[in-house]
Amino acid sequence: RKEVEQDPGPFNVPEGATVAFNCTYSNSASQSFFWYRQDCRKEPKLLMSVYSSGNEDGRFTAQLNRASQYISLLIRDSKLSDSATYLCVVTSGYSSASKIIFGSGTRLSIRP
Amino acid sequence: EAQVTQNPRYLITVTGKKLTVTCSQNMNHEYMSWYRQDPGLGLRQIYYSMNVEVTDKGDVPEGYKVSRKEKRNFPLILESPSPNQTSLYFCASSPMPPEISYEQYFGPGTRLTVT
Repeated sequence: RKEVEQDPGPFNVPEGATVAFNCTYSNSASQSFFWYRQDCRKEPKLLMSVYSSGNEDGRFTAQLNRASQYISLLIRDSKLSDSATYLCVVTSGYSSASKIIFGSGTRLSIRP
Repeated sequence: EAQVTQNPRYLITVTGKKLTVTCSQNMNHEYMSWYRQDPGLGLRQIYYSMNVEVTDKGDVPEGYKVSRKEKRNFPLILESPSPNQTSLYFCASSPMPPEISYEQYFGPGTRLTVT
């Protein structure tokens, strides 16, 4: 079983729709969680960190469910420019024992 | 402009010919890291560095070396490249380690092909 798993998609949704996807992680001691966005053949860029209480940034909402060991990303009123691959990132440990694991990404395609 | 730079951006080489991919950041970040990205596998960490002269293995260190002699530079060295090291490589930096919820800033990537 992968340490961090994402549905690879692609999710193909119309502009204006709401779309959500999850990311599950296997290490219950994981402590930091992020969503990164990666456009085709470009470098990943931070979309948002995910906090225990959940957090929102404009049209984007991230949630953390420690009991079930998953994080989620919700995108409301999707735009054509939201088309990208969304990477889930989970860290565990500290200092020289730290580990950072990237999910393989969920591909999202927004159609006009 | 705050940025992470990598060179070269594209490289085609032959098996066994030593190569170095450079990485430099101008943000005075403590933490730097190298990843490789392969289809279906996501980004996997090769090596990371908490500070000058401090480096540690990531998940896939075999066949790679790194050094951190200066804070801004973190070169990736392939002493004897093999075809299974054909991949897209990213360098990243952050003010502190990511497990303390710090954002990582990525370089533009280096596409390496080993024939």
